Amino acid sequence: GAGVSQSPSNKVTEKGKDVELRCDPISGHTALYWYRQSLGQGLEFLIYFQGNSAPDKSGLPSDRFSAERTGGSVSTLTIQRTQQEDSAVYLCASSAAPSGSETQYFGPGTRLLVL
Amino acid sequence: AQTVTQSQPEMSVQEAETVTLSCTYDTSESDYYLFWYKQPPSRQMILVIRQEAYKQQNATENRFSVNFQKAAKSFSLKISDSQLGDAAMYFCAYGNDYKLSFGAGTTVTVRA
Repeated sequence: GAGVSQSPSNKVTEKGKDVELRCDPISGHTALYWYRQSLGQGLEFLIYFQGNSAPDKSGLPSDRFSAERTGGSVSTLTIQRTQQEDSAVYLCASSAAPSGSETQYFGPGTRLLVL
Repeated sequence: AQTVTQSQPEMSVQEAETVTLSCTYDTSESDYYLFWYKQPPSRQMILVIRQEAYKQQNATENRFSVNFQKAAKSFSLKISDSQLGDAAMYFCAYGNDYKLSFGAGTTVTVRA
């Protein structure tokens, strides 16, 4: 089937506004991950879902960040009261199972710019 | 937390030549997995190659091969017969449970 998709592809917002980023994983993949990639940097783990539950939220940088997953499929990452330091590419990945042996397949990311 | 280090921010290679990207990692685990991902300007992260730590044989995928030195915690990527389409940022990643730890990346440019 199709790969991981993310929307929007690009998002420009004003400081203080809320934004929602969407991820559609590969059909049948139970594990879903959010990463953040700041300019010229590696990927920083944000949160991981197994089904609809999030066993590990340790990477979320502040309480302005939240994420949910419904129906074991689509996930939404919400950033409230955006700050300029939130500007980055947000990447979503999914894998067939939550295991280090499983390959994570990535979406094309959402580039967020906070003015 | 595991640390993954890529010491080469940029590498340049002539078309058809070979380039080797270095990666070291720090872990106390004995069972884990290592990956190389390619990220072209399109931002899409693409898996290039993966290595299981319990396997001594180095993984190979067409023109891409790794040199996995478990004792030294080293995992380098060799790109042979480089092509213009290989130009991208390459990330080394470590995984042993569910999340991946990434290095800072190496930008590879290919000269025609």
